[in-house]
Amino acid sequence: EVQLVESGGGLVQPGGSLKLSCAGSGFRFSDFSIDWARQASGEGLEWIGRIRGKVVDYATTYSASVSGRFTISRDDLKNTAYLQMNRLKAEDTAVYYCIRNNNWSFENWGQGTLVTVSS
Amino acid sequence: QSALTQTPSVSGFPGQSVTISCTGTSSDVGSDNRVSWYQQPPGTAPKLIIYEVTNRASGVPDRFSGSKSGNTASLTISGLQAEDEAYYYCSSHTTTYTFVFGTGTTVTVL
Repeated sequence: EVQLVESGGGLVQPGGSLKLSCAGSGFRFSDFSIDWARQASGEGLEWIGRIRGKVVDYATTYSASVSGRFTISRDDLKNTAYLQMNRLKAEDTAVYYCIRNNNWSFENWGQGTLVTVSS
Repeated sequence: QSALTQTPSVSGFPGQSVTISCTGTSSDVGSDNRVSWYQQPPGTAPKLIIYEVTNRASGVPDRFSGSKSGNTASLTISGLQAEDEAYYYCSSHTTTYTFVFGTGTTVTVL
């Protein structure tokens, strides 16, 4: 069974940093792109970015709203992807999901981890 | 990249059909067939139901179907059931190698 488990969420002050982890299991982690998306309370989904596999040199792309502040990385030996978030703002408050991307779609989602940016 | 525009809400009685539209541009929905749909019951993570415009994900009932014409994709639920009540989102790959979600649609079973 494919599973993705996010961790690392919590309360952080505006301007601060936080690093989320996403542990995958039940599939060959290195073969798949991993995406991140978020959802503010009562709002819709927002795609944040993705990291592709070794075959395309772990290429990353980001949405305009987080580009330059957020960085996605991965460690295929640990079957884990990461989302490093810097210069956090109140509007970054949301549940963050990691996702296995397959066939250009978001096939498997984690349960999400809540990030709250507040003083 | 602006969010794709979806019908805010649709409703129907059990057994009826409802259709949700998802309108983008030639830079996303209209650029290729990388459009997908997700179902999200309140308080849960989204679940893939349709990928590449028309393909049902594993285990998804055949009452769910997808289509696309130009810059607009559509999701139809035929034979609406109580368990179909949820939020639905479309998503598309874009010509700038990013992805974008739709604004979301609430499906209510009357």
